[in-house]
Amino acid sequence: DAGITQSPRHKVTETGTPVTLRCHQTENHRYMYWYRQDPGHGLRLIHYSYGVKDTDKGEVSDGYSVSRSKTEDFLLTLESATSSQTSVYFCAISESYYEAFFGQGTRLTVV
Amino acid sequence: RKEVEQDPGPFNVPEGATVAFNCTYSNSASQSFFWYRQDCRKEPKLLMSVYSSGNEDGRFTAQLNRASQYISLLIRDSKLSDSATYLCVVNMGGGKLIFGQGTELSVKP
Repeated sequence: DAGITQSPRHKVTETGTPVTLRCHQTENHRYMYWYRQDPGHGLRLIHYSYGVKDTDKGEVSDGYSVSRSKTEDFLLTLESATSSQTSVYFCAISESYYEAFFGQGTRLTVV
Repeated sequence: RKEVEQDPGPFNVPEGATVAFNCTYSNSASQSFFWYRQDCRKEPKLLMSVYSSGNEDGRFTAQLNRASQYISLLIRDSKLSDSATYLCVVNMGGGKLIFGQGTELSVKP
């Protein structure tokens, strides 16, 4: 399995609090992605990174920010969590035109 | 129009059946293609890459038709353990990785 870990795996937080999810890879892959998955919507891209300090928005980026200060780490921050951000979050990594590998996911509940 | 489209299903088939999934993509500049499998909201896992020449892995056969912008996955002799959601994925390069919404398969005894 590819070396990609997400933390935390589960989190319950209150509306209005900031939350940061971490994705860590040991594969030195250039591209890193954050997706969310909700029933009826499949995987939706939040943000992705194509290098250190290089990031771009996906289709559902509102309310989320990201940072990548090192090749191996890609952080997703919810500045002020809302109930609509309750979801399962997946991080993925890829290299050029090759396949992507996924972390095990973070189940976030905003109450 | 979505960039990658799949029939969401569900496909309900008996054990031993042959089932085919189709996927279309809209951007002819797409570079590489994959099928993933996802179980019960676990992480998607690579099932197989898809090549123009077609490729086979045991009971699974994948095909790419660039002219029609169409990808297929054929599963022969379905097993109960094949029950999952199958995702079509297109890599357009430059970090642009596009997922279909997935096709749910349920194999019944």
